[in-house]
Amino acid sequence: QKEVEQNSGPLSVPEGAIASLNCTYSDRVSQSFFWYRQYSGKSPELIMSIYSNGDKEDGRFTAQLNKASQYVSLLIRDSQPSDSATYLCAVGSNDMRFGAGTRLTVKP
Amino acid sequence: DAEITQSPRHKITETGRQVTLACHQTWNHNNMFWYRQDLGHGLRLIHYSYGVQDTNKGEVSDGYSVSRSNTEDLPLTLESAASSQTSVYFCASSEAGQGYEQYFGPGTRLTVT
Repeated sequence: QKEVEQNSGPLSVPEGAIASLNCTYSDRVSQSFFWYRQYSGKSPELIMSIYSNGDKEDGRFTAQLNKASQYVSLLIRDSQPSDSATYLCAVGSNDMRFGAGTRLTVKP
Repeated sequence: DAEITQSPRHKITETGRQVTLACHQTWNHNNMFWYRQDLGHGLRLIHYSYGVQDTNKGEVSDGYSVSRSNTEDLPLTLESAASSQTSVYFCASSEAGQGYEQYFGPGTRLTVT
């Protein structure tokens, strides 16, 4: 069974802080990793993709991948109330598996 | 602009009825996917297609079917709707190959009474 695990949260951070979201996966042959943001009642929106070990930065977002530890994370710097959403980790190999998501609340 | 659309956005049906949910994309993507999303389970893959005439079962395919007659459309059919199929259904598409970024439609909320 291919598993993608995330803490369900809720994770609460003050405005301006760094939010750290974590994800672990079980399928060692996974090759592609994604973070999606989903606002309540809306569809998932892709915010980051990462394919190789290390860090990838895009604006306030940084994705980190460690294939040896089967771990991928998302850091959100200078968190804003508009970042309040559920963040889904997705892992791709032959198909795509999603974690259940971590709910993030950024308090003004 | 390219997009992916789903219809209907909301549907209420009775147990035992056949229901078809439509998905249409103008990205010209080869790959298309159907997911359901339920509280506590996240997104679960129902069926997927890597091209015209290609269909594959996903993690939770029982009671569902798909067919792919062109690049743009992948309709999802519930042969005999059950209350356990009450869910939010999302269609997604991606470029050819495996492991590419998927882009999601707005979703269909289906209630089976």
